[in-house]
Amino acid sequence: GQQLNQSPQSMFIQEGEDVSMNCTSSSIFNTWLWYKQDPGEGPVLLIALYKAGELTSNGRLTAQFGITRKDSFLNISASIPSDVGIYFCAGHRGGNNNDMRFGAGTRLTVKP
Amino acid sequence: EAQVTQNPRYLITVTGKKLTVTCSQNMNHEYMSWYRQDPGLGLRQIYYSMNVEVTDKGDVPEGYKVSRKEKRNFPLILESPSPNQTSLYFCASSRTGYSTDTQYFGPGTRLTVL
Repeated sequence: GQQLNQSPQSMFIQEGEDVSMNCTSSSIFNTWLWYKQDPGEGPVLLIALYKAGELTSNGRLTAQFGITRKDSFLNISASIPSDVGIYFCAGHRGGNNNDMRFGAGTRLTVKP
Repeated sequence: EAQVTQNPRYLITVTGKKLTVTCSQNMNHEYMSWYRQDPGLGLRQIYYSMNVEVTDKGDVPEGYKVSRKEKRNFPLILESPSPNQTSLYFCASSRTGYSTDTQYFGPGTRLTVL
C-alpha cells in the first residue's frame, strides 16, 4: 500500500530549539497519528487527530490535521535531550487498522 | 502492567531454518497485528487478526504465517526464512481494530537471516 511522505528524514538540533516535521499523502485520511520510537522500543502514540483542521497539543507537542486531509504536521517546542528518537506519522482511512499507513520516520537528535 | 511482549528480542538464523516469533498481550485486546520496519520504509503491515481464529494478510505477507488460537497470543512464523526477511519486527494490539482505539506496540524483535 501507499506509504506516507514524511520529512525531514533526520534533524540535528540544539537543546531549546523548536522542531517541525510533516507528513503528506496523495490520498485522504480520516485520522492522523503521531508516534515516537525510543531506541530499542516500539512506537508509542503521542497525538491522535480525528478531524480536518484540528490542532491538538500534548505538553510541548502540537500537531495539526491538514484541511485537505492529505497532510499533518508535528511541532515540538523547546526541545530537550529526551526528545531524541524517531517520530512516525501514520494515516488511517477509518475502519479497521489494516487501513493504516506509516511514514518512514524523522530521526531527531538533540545536542545538549 | 499492561503490555505487549515479544520473544525473542534478537535472533540470528540461517536461510531456510524455520522460526517463530511469539507475541503476547495482557490487555484482552481483540485486534493484533505484525509489522516489519525497514530503513526508509517505516512500518509495513504483515498480517493482522481481528479476533480469535480470524487472520488476514496485510501489505507484505509473503513468506510469513500467523495463527490466533487464543486471544492473547499471535505468533509470527517464518517457515523458510530468507535474507530479505532481515528486519525489525513489531507486534501490536488494540482493543478493537478501529482507528479510535490506540495501538500498543511490543518492544520489537531484530531478526537477521544469513
